[in-house]
Amino acid sequence: DSGVTQTPKHLITATGQRVTLRCSPRSGDLSVYWYQQSLDQGLQFLIQYYNGEERAKGNILERFSAQQFPDLHSELNLSSLELGDSALYFCASSPSGKGGPGEKLFFGSGTQLSVL
Amino acid sequence: DAKTTQPNSMESNEEEPVHLPCNHSTISGTDYIHWYRQLPSQGPEYVIHGLTSNVNNRMASLAIAEDRKSSTLILHRATLRDAAVYYCILRDRAGGTSYGKLTFGQGTILTVHP
Repeated sequence: DSGVTQTPKHLITATGQRVTLRCSPRSGDLSVYWYQQSLDQGLQFLIQYYNGEERAKGNILERFSAQQFPDLHSELNLSSLELGDSALYFCASSPSGKGGPGEKLFFGSGTQLSVL
Repeated sequence: DAKTTQPNSMESNEEEPVHLPCNHSTISGTDYIHWYRQLPSQGPEYVIHGLTSNVNNRMASLAIAEDRKSSTLILHRATLRDAAVYYCILRDRAGGTSYGKLTFGQGTILTVHP
């Protein structure tokens, strides 16, 4: 158990809909990261938040947005969903997010999103 | 981020050692070498990291070439539970603009036979 909690574990929805994925980081971790994993693209970094502020951005679509709340949990919002958005979405957390050499990322078990 | 190259897949027998190679010929002096693995239906998990010297922990050993252009993750006695995708990742010591994020490649799919 990594200590990172993601809900829901599975989500089935239709094209054009909007969903929200939730992540609770490990106790004390200030940084949250979101990743998307699909069969053809592998693990792709989407976005990082540190203590409530956006820190780094990756290949995140404009239809996707995220935020980190004062209690440090994070939500990833996916809107106008398309079939190609079907994927596993992982959240990870780390103590500081400054990328020090030994800083580890701890990943949750993911949310499997299926867009039908 | 500097690029790493790993074999697509490797196979091993249970209780035998496994050597997973990684090439990183464009590694910079400030890059640390990190290994993560992803078990089936789980998120990635940290395995080990190092800079120049060989490293050991309870999960594995990391052997780093003297010129740092390659490294090898060593599982001393593979178990069925070690079947996973293994990712070799370079991370800048200073963090820089990449901050804490990790950039994953395709990794090596390790199959362990009973």
